[in-house]
Amino acid sequence: EADIYQTPRYLVIGTGKKITLECSQTMGHDKMYWYQQDPGMELHLIHYSYGVNSTEKGDLSSESTVSRIRTEHFPLTLESARPSHTSQYLCASTPTGTDGYTFGSGTRLTVV
Amino acid sequence: GQQVMQIPQYQHVQEGEDFTTYCNSSTTLSNIQWYKQRPGGHPVFLIQLVKSGEVKKQKRLTFQFGEAKKNSSLHITATQTTDVGTYFCAGPTGRRALTFGSGTRLQVQP
Repeated sequence: EADIYQTPRYLVIGTGKKITLECSQTMGHDKMYWYQQDPGMELHLIHYSYGVNSTEKGDLSSESTVSRIRTEHFPLTLESARPSHTSQYLCASTPTGTDGYTFGSGTRLTVV
Repeated sequence: GQQVMQIPQYQHVQEGEDFTTYCNSSTTLSNIQWYKQRPGGHPVFLIQLVKSGEVKKQKRLTFQFGEAKKNSSLHITATQTTDVGTYFCAGPTGRRALTFGSGTRLQVQP
């Protein structure tokens, strides 16, 4: 069973709101990732981290930020939500860069 | 940047029929991974292939990595309704994270 947790599971918010999506893992993995996925579509990398105080942008990261203050915690923040942010956000982790990823259950975000 | 394409995009089979999805990368990959995502769920890691020409089996699933390490395939023998979902291949990119393919959605008719 995956030991990576995402909250909330579902979220509906208004345009312009600031939101933080939580992701925590108890596996001690150094590498963590955020992907965005529209229903039935491919996953797009938003941010990734190779350890504490290490974060890098992916392909769709310009409107969000992340932090990695603790190994187990990798939150994603949208400063000002827009309807175009409506999507599923998936957090993942892996012990090394070449092992399979363990994904969380995702946060389904709707911005109205 | 690196692209990972999959075909077909969608396949509908009768239960008991075989199914194959193909994955092609624009660049040589050090390894390739396969994931399954059930409807409404999250991707679950199935397997990783590393060696050129490698073939691995998991029960009814057979995974192959091409000789040039730019393509891969997943073959399911005698599909079951439990095989329903979207199958993604993924390979590491220069950004040190996985690039996922476009996925193949499998529907199995009982």
